[in-house]
Amino acid sequence: GAVVSQHPSRVICKSGTSVKIECRSLDFQATTMFWYRQFPKQSLMLMATSNEGSKATYEQGVEKDKFLINHASLTLSTLTVTSAHPEDSSFYICSARDLDTGGNGYTFGSGTRLTVV
Amino acid sequence: GENVEQHPSTLSVQEGDSAVIKCTYSDSASNYFPWYKQELGKRPQLIIDIRSNVGEKKDQRIAVTLNKTAKHFSLHITETQPEDSAVYFCAASNDYKLSFGAGTTVTVRA
Repeated sequence: GAVVSQHPSRVICKSGTSVKIECRSLDFQATTMFWYRQFPKQSLMLMATSNEGSKATYEQGVEKDKFLINHASLTLSTLTVTSAHPEDSSFYICSARDLDTGGNGYTFGSGTRLTVV
Repeated sequence: GENVEQHPSTLSVQEGDSAVIKCTYSDSASNYFPWYKQELGKRPQLIIDIRSNVGEKKDQRIAVTLNKTAKHFSLHITETQPEDSAVYFCAASNDYKLSFGAGTTVTVRA
């Protein structure tokens, strides 16, 4: 079945530094990748939608200059948290649709636990 | 945009009893309604889904019902077992974005 590989699974960084999270679709072409953020004991909140070869679409309230998204190929999308601060500490998870499954198949990455100290 | 509301936020049931979680959605264009089970620090796992042209779907102990007119859908788990304890999320999709409910923490008491 469709697999999305997400790295790293955990990262600890110092306040003010940047962190890059990668999501790769391993056996399908993901023209669209969705990025979510999940705070403890809360739901998955959509941050942005990235489309291969074009600019990402950000949800209301999400700073596009802080959360840089690049979707340069059909199998790779990256999220860079720039100038990270402790309040950015969260679980970040990507999702892609494999339209070839014939259904609505949303496939999730394994998530990245970001801790900013 | 789509707004998905989910109730209850917590649910405690005796092992063997049934659990029901209810969700409502706002966007009449939504046509796909998955349910996910998520364990702490893990990715959501699809447990069952339903499309808007179907009113009910069942998979062993799990069933989902959909009322398009009322814009609500429900998850039913029968004969609950301790391993059913987890956080469950409903979601709705308009064939593009997937919007999640707030989640229900289900605890199955032995």
